[in-house]
Amino acid sequence: GIQVEQSPPDLILQEGANSTLRCNFSDSVNNLQWFHQNPWGQLINLFYIPSGTKQNGRLSATTVATERYSLLYISSSQTTDSGVYFCAVLSGGSYIPTFGRGTSLIVHP
Amino acid sequence: NAGVMQNPRHLVRRRGQEARLRCSPMKGHSHVYWYRQLPEEGLKFMVYLQKENIIDESGMPKERFSAEFPKEGPSILRIQQVVRGDSAAYFCASSPRGSDYNEQFFGPGTRLTVL
Repeated sequence: GIQVEQSPPDLILQEGANSTLRCNFSDSVNNLQWFHQNPWGQLINLFYIPSGTKQNGRLSATTVATERYSLLYISSSQTTDSGVYFCAVLSGGSYIPTFGRGTSLIVHP
Repeated sequence: NAGVMQNPRHLVRRRGQEARLRCSPMKGHSHVYWYRQLPEEGLKFMVYLQKENIIDESGMPKERFSAEFPKEGPSILRIQQVVRGDSAAYFCASSPRGSDYNEQFFGPGTRLTVL
């Protein structure tokens, strides 16, 4: 099956810093989503982005499907951005998403 | 438009008891997925259901676990004779269709603790 790798596994930032999280996948995808799991465990949809670029406030994402990666940009980070960021992909006609292991982000005040 | 609802949010059971977890999908969504998340790990697929049909249960343990999504009412994940290793967060997600072009929306999860 498709392999999904996220990097870095852990990230510690000072409030106000910018960061880039990466999601690499081993095969072509039809669907890619980014999620934020906050410290209370809730999973929040960030982007549905099988290709192209999207922006939502301080967050933006770019998926380059031909090169098999997606990037999540966080600008001017805030303490509320802390948590784990997952990407999940669907490929090859499958309806079962494959999740990466996530990037754990801590933003210090 | 209410999101995906799960209840209870927290469930404590003793070994050998049964756990029932409920999931109400978003309005207009007829596809439900269940996932399990162990501490410090990612989400693992368990089962995918449509109304009155189990489409794929390849991620669900063969024994003690079952799932249903009746014509009326929420989807139910049932764990019989729970053991300590069942302690985890269980999430459900819904989508409007089951194709690979559809966005999934997650509920808040049920945290099961087995004593």
